[in-house]
Order: sequence, then structure tokens, then C-alpha cells
Amino acid sequence: QSALTQPASVSGSPGQSITISCTGTSSDVGGYNYVSWYQQHPGKAPKLMIYDVSNRPSGVSNRFSGSKSGNTASLIISGLQAEDEADYYCSSYTNSSTPYVFGTGTKVTVL
Amino acid sequence: QVQLVESGGGVVQPGGSLRLSCAASGFSFSRNGMHWVRQAPGKGLEWVAFIRFDGSKKYYGDSVSGRFTISRDNHKNTLYLQMSSLRLDDTAVYFCAKEGYTSSSLPDYWGQGTLVTVSS
Repeated sequence: QSALTQPASVSGSPGQSITISCTGTSSDVGGYNYVSWYQQHPGKAPKLMIYDVSNRPSGVSNRFSGSKSGNTASLIISGLQAEDEADYYCSSYTNSSTPYVFGTGTKVTVL
Repeated sequence: QVQLVESGGGVVQPGGSLRLSCAASGFSFSRNGMHWVRQAPGKGLEWVAFIRFDGSKKYYGDSVSGRFTISRDNHKNTLYLQMSSLRLDDTAVYFCAKEGYTSSSLPDYWGQGTLVTVSS
């Protein structure tokens, strides 16, 4: 099972909106509404930001949203803030022998 | 609140074995599936293994299948990862994570991780 494909880096200025893509196949992202997104600051544990493509856990800012089209899921961060600077990973359920897969990760830089 | 505390990491020689533990609290451990996920230094997250709430089903990533064994003790609220035939590329921070409350079972809460270094 290959990792889901994410851009290595995305940047934006404070207040702007950015989008992080997560591309898989019909066996994972495209086949199920089971995509989660995680934020990870250096040296810290990942934190769940979005689950089931577009749902936000309690306590996560509504500046974070998710969507999916075909085999590509997206995380949108609006009103970019300095604290959003971190690594972001998508993850999906898959119908292969290894049922879960992570994305390659995206480093978000706030200019 | 949910707490997951990993332990058991350390330095081990190639070909050696190590057992990781993850002590869980703040939720009903016996009702939740659990994951192990690892992160090599400077690299991305890699899913390692998953065990159902009752231990009835276990799943492994391709790179660890046949070498690692996931298990749990619901009486002790503890998750384990027995690692054997360790290789240099098993060097990573190992996180335990609780499955979320959705049908996907993807992780929601994560521990802080324990570092495993495979080196001669």
C-alpha cells in the first residue's frame, strides 16, 4: 500500500486561505468517506483536525475544513495564523490487506 | 481526559527484540480498537498495526508483518507492541493511538511517543 500523495510544502500569509491536497485511489480516498487530517507541531504528537472527510472534532477551530472530490481529499485552512505553522497529514481507510494509510505530509509555513 | 502513555523504547541492536507498552486512561479502553503508528527521524507518519477492542482481529503494515505483534490486556488497560528481528529502518518514534468513534476506526487521540533506536 503506497502512501497518499500530498504536496511537500504549502505557504501563505496571515489571514489568507490555503488548501492541502491528499491524492489516493479508488481503493482508499475515492472509495470511502473515511479520511482524517492531523496537525503535528515539531516534537509533538499528532492532533486530529478533521475526520470522515469534513467533520471537525469538538475544540478544533472552524477555520479548518475538509472536502473530497474523486480520489483527492483537501484540507482548507482559512484566516491563516502563525500557530497553524506545522506539518499536516491525511489518512484514509483502504480496502487492501493493510487497512490504513497515511499521506506523505505537508509542511505549512506562515510567511 | 484521554491519556495514552508509551514506554519501553530504547537502543537495540539489529536483529534484537523490544516490547513497547501503552498505558491508557480516561476512556473505556476495552471498548476501543487501538493503533501503533511510527515516525522515523525527520520523516512522515507510517501506520504500523491495529487491534480490535477485544483483540479478535489484528492488522499489520507490510513493512512489519511477520516481525511485530500487537496485543492488549483489557484488565490492565494496556496496549503492547512486541518487535522482533529489528532492522535499522525500524528506528522511529512509536505512537499509540485510540480509534475514533466513527466507522473508519482511524485514530483520534495519540500518545506522546517512545523512541526506538536500532543501532549496532
